[in-house]
Amino acid sequence: GAGVSQSPRYKVAKRGQDVALRCDPISGHVSLFWYQQALGQGPEFLTYFQNEAQLDKSGLPSDRFFAERPEGSVSTLKIQRTQQEDSAVYLCASSLTAVNSHNEQFFGPGTRLTVL
Amino acid sequence: EDQVTQSPEALRLQEGESSSLNCSYTVSGLRGLFWYRQDPGKGPEFLFTLYSAGEEKEKERLKATLTKKESFLHITAPKPEDSATYLCAVHLRGNFNKFYFGSGTKLNVKP
Repeated sequence: GAGVSQSPRYKVAKRGQDVALRCDPISGHVSLFWYQQALGQGPEFLTYFQNEAQLDKSGLPSDRFFAERPEGSVSTLKIQRTQQEDSAVYLCASSLTAVNSHNEQFFGPGTRLTVL
Repeated sequence: EDQVTQSPEALRLQEGESSSLNCSYTVSGLRGLFWYRQDPGKGPEFLFTLYSAGEEKEKERLKATLTKKESFLHITAPKPEDSATYLCAVHLRGNFNKFYFGSGTKLNVKP
């Protein structure tokens, strides 16, 4: 009974480097979310996928952020030319059905990104 | 503007000392309100979903209630293992792709 997994768990990048963060949702889950969590704050919505379709990317902070879920399962969040303000924990969550149904989100452990 | 506010930011309790955490919201239309528990270094763990004013849900020492403006998470006779950050999140009507989280209440229960 695997839950949501994320890799790497920790990532240190030099300013200007590109990074890729991976999320493996629970098998069969339709919905997938990415959140950004700053220290001492609640998660902030970044983007939402229903299967392979990215239905909402309004929370992505800049065009340096890009997310994909090409086959409707694994998702990757890519950050280009990282900046210090990108330092945060990036959380992935999945849920069984489409988001217009009532169902809980299952979160992964997150990837802690530190940009030096 | 849609807003979710949690109070207090931090709460220290003695083991067995009951208390309540608050989540107040100002939103255009509530579809559901969620409570999560988050331990250090981990992702949030689902606790409850509430959909309508007057609804209550219980799980062990926790009880969540909902009114038209706020939700309470009541903790009865807490134990040290209840120490964690408790987050609430709202799911809105008409913008159901997004969930808005509060900043959380960090609970510390001392033995």
